[in-house]
Amino acid sequence: AQSVTQPDIHITVSEGASLELRCNYSYGATPYLFWYVQSPGQGLQLLLKYFSGDTLVQGIKGFEAEFKRSQSSFNLRKPSVHWSDAAEYFCAVGGEIYSSASKIIFGSGTRLSIRP
Amino acid sequence: EAGVTQSPTHLIKTRGQQATLRCSPISGHTSVYWYQQALGLGLQFLLWYDEGEERNRGNFPPRFSGRQFPNYSSELNVNALELEDSALYLCASRLGRTGSEQYFGPGTRLTVT
Repeated sequence: AQSVTQPDIHITVSEGASLELRCNYSYGATPYLFWYVQSPGQGLQLLLKYFSGDTLVQGIKGFEAEFKRSQSSFNLRKPSVHWSDAAEYFCAVGGEIYSSASKIIFGSGTRLSIRP
Repeated sequence: EAGVTQSPTHLIKTRGQQATLRCSPISGHTSVYWYQQALGLGLQFLLWYDEGEERNRGNFPPRFSGRQFPNYSSELNVNALELEDSALYLCASRLGRTGSEQYFGPGTRLTVT
């Protein structure tokens, strides 16, 4: 069965510190992987995506993620967080658009708080 | 380029009433997805429309329904509203091709009293 697990419900880091948000997936075929961010009361904004090729993906706002097939992981990282990064982060996996599994599956989210 | 738009922004209904939520996708996107985001429950997939047809639905009762119009905009209808239907309803659109990402609208906040 397809699934996405974000094991950390809530993380607090100090401003300027590095960040890593974990994401593990289960998917039977070649996955397409995404990270989205949601500010309070807002829709989701795409941070980055992985389809193929280089396993280290650069995104917006200084974020990057690394696809590790052997670990079924797609962790999100940022070397130095800013107070404006406080938000909810969602990892997602999708597949072939017209297959029965084509809907994108979202993890339950990780809420990031920034300590001044 | 205009993003995904949703209306209304907020909707207040009483239990037993019907709610209609609307979504306009990004120009050129043929797929529309609906999600429910209730407090503390993450995004729950509701419905997927593509080229005017319902392609998939999540684990929700039949009183959640919708449709997609020829211009690819979409409508979500929730009948016989229950208190637990209170949530942020998010619409997303996507190009009809493999691997493309979803673009989300700002959502409609539905409150059932």
